[in-house]
Amino acid sequence: SAVISQKPSRDICQRGTSLTIQCQVDSQVTMMFWYRQQPGQSLTLIATANQGSEATYESGFVIDKFPISRPNLTFSTLTVSNMSPEDSSIYLCSVVGGYTDTQYFGPGTRLTVL
Amino acid sequence: SQKIEQNSEALNIQEGKTATLTCNYTNYSPAYLQWYRQDPGRGPVFLLLIRENEKEKRKERLKVTFDTTLKQSLFHITASQPADSATYLCALGPNNAGNMLTFGGGTRLMVKP
Repeated sequence: SAVISQKPSRDICQRGTSLTIQCQVDSQVTMMFWYRQQPGQSLTLIATANQGSEATYESGFVIDKFPISRPNLTFSTLTVSNMSPEDSSIYLCSVVGGYTDTQYFGPGTRLTVL
Repeated sequence: SQKIEQNSEALNIQEGKTATLTCNYTNYSPAYLQWYRQDPGRGPVFLLLIRENEKEKRKERLKVTFDTTLKQSLFHITASQPADSATYLCALGPNNAGNMLTFGGGTRLMVKP
């Protein structure tokens, strides 16, 4: 299994500002993902973070709003830009472990936008 | 469109009983199905994976079945304990777009002592 840490664990931000969330994995992984979980909802995939190339975004998510970096095989960042209260969610990074199809999740970043 | 349904109502059971959670899907031919546990304020934790050619899989007190004809998975927790209280998510993958997992809405399980 993979051990994943995220920073910050939570934050309260003002409307119009941006927040960058960091995801660190204890081993090199090929596939990293960013999910959003709005209050009372299930997980929605935002994008797949690709090492050495641009992230692949799901329908309804765009790079200008959620820029992603993946400088190496153990680290990624997700920025939530120009935030509004509708962006209040838990943001989770996830990796696929080893030779299995199992996904492992970080502890999440709880974001509240006022 | 692809749809994954889990009972949105909480499931309340007595300690010691078997909890059974259901995951139904439509417009989907998943290669595998996974079950996760999520506690409040935390990320999902992987429990079990079952592949399309497998009917049943067990892990300690957990049992998962996968019926690709009915397009349904059942998740059982035997001899349930209050510590099993959490939200349980099913996830199917990969989806038609080639991405890894699509999650159901989750079912909250409450085990009463």
